Amino acid sequence: DTEVTQTPKHLVMGMTNKKSLKCEQHMGHRAMYWYKQKAKKPPELMFVYSYEKLSINESVPSRFSPECPNSSLLNLHLHALQPEDSALYLCASSPAYTPQVEAFFGQGTRLTVV
Amino acid sequence: AQSVTQLDSHVSVSEGTPVLLRCNYSSSYSPSLFWYVQHPNKGLQLLLKYTSAATLVKGINGFEAEFKKSETSFHLTKPSAHMSDAAEYFCVVSALSGGSNYKLTFGKGTLLTVNP
Repeated sequence: DTEVTQTPKHLVMGMTNKKSLKCEQHMGHRAMYWYKQKAKKPPELMFVYSYEKLSINESVPSRFSPECPNSSLLNLHLHALQPEDSALYLCASSPAYTPQVEAFFGQGTRLTVV
Repeated sequence: AQSVTQLDSHVSVSEGTPVLLRCNYSSSYSPSLFWYVQHPNKGLQLLLKYTSAATLVKGINGFEAEFKKSETSFHLTKPSAHMSDAAEYFCVVSALSGGSNYKLTFGKGTLLTVNP
């Protein structure tokens, strides 16, 4: 299994809603990542988890809350989002948190905030 | 510090003709370099990577790239374009940024259009 699976594929939420994005991998990878990608732009790193511990938070607003309950799962909890948070949210994983290894990306969750 | 410059935001080729997507990088440390492809509304797929082994790297779907340290370049090529190659391509550099932290730095992307 060489996939990173993200659910849901599409999500529409109001600015007062609470929702969660889920990411799962069964490749034994110990590093997992959340990226945000706006239209016609490259992905921007949000969070890095290494061995289930948060290693990097790229100054992301607190309305985004990551969680890594175990080595296979990564969640992104969303609360009180703004319309400008609408984007493609990509999860990725890699065998370890080192520069030499490539990241495997999921298909993304297309989020629309109304 | 590290950065990536993709020299063309849009490249248009005819099916069956060669593809050249250009990428220059800068890095304070020995970098690892990657090319990823993204089809519309999809995630990113790794095409190939350079990690200080052979400077000519072969990837999937007939793509290859050559690491040239003297020119700080990592251009992506393919001898003959196929319609299915139409997508966005990202050049990515990965290196330590101090301490034990690192992150992937993406170029702005090159949109490849393939004309029949």
